[in-house]
Amino acid sequence: GESVGLHLPTLSVQEGDNSIINCAYSNSASDYFIWYKQESGKGPQFIIDIRSNMDKRQGQRVTVLLNKTVKHLSLQIAATQPGDSAVYFCAEPKVSLESTFGDGTTLTVKP
Amino acid sequence: GAVVSQHPSRVICKSGTSVKIECRSLDFQATTMFWYRQFPKKSLMLMATSNEGSKATYEQGVEKDKFLINHASLTLSTLTVTSAHPEDSSFYICSANRADHSYNEQFFGPGTRLTVL
Repeated sequence: GESVGLHLPTLSVQEGDNSIINCAYSNSASDYFIWYKQESGKGPQFIIDIRSNMDKRQGQRVTVLLNKTVKHLSLQIAATQPGDSAVYFCAEPKVSLESTFGDGTTLTVKP
Repeated sequence: GAVVSQHPSRVICKSGTSVKIECRSLDFQATTMFWYRQFPKKSLMLMATSNEGSKATYEQGVEKDKFLINHASLTLSTLTVTSAHPEDSSFYICSANRADHSYNEQFFGPGTRLTVL
């Protein structure tokens, strides 16, 4: 079936470096994606979203890139901080999909 | 805006008892609420989708008699784990879509940690 999924289960970066978390999706008709952050023991938090009519969207220290040709999106975090340590999910927020969320990438920021 | 709360945040119960978890959208009306289950270090697994005033739609493999969902209003959905057993221990998370948003962005609750002894 259709799915979204992350490339790497873990990512470790030095504080101050930039982080890139990748995600692939299989449904070419997908038109909306969200990146979520989940800290241990808490529910997911919205980070940034992107619609399929865009290639790039920027937020505060975060940028999401969408490549529809290869069905790939990425989340870039600039100047990564210890508070950015969390599990990151890309998701296609549609109703009644068996698996809306891809597997998470655990980001660890080393001081 | 768009705050979703869950109650309780943590519950410990004995095997065989039933546990009710509430999910509320505090400052918006939710057309649809979702219930997820999450195991340690795993992604969220969608259990069911509920719309106010109608029966919930359960995902494949989720027992509807085991996990009772009631969506009484546009701001409240409840999940009752009936006759809970240790294997039901998990982190349960709800989310809600806003009635006034055209896209299906989901706003998540903080989760409920259920431990069945």
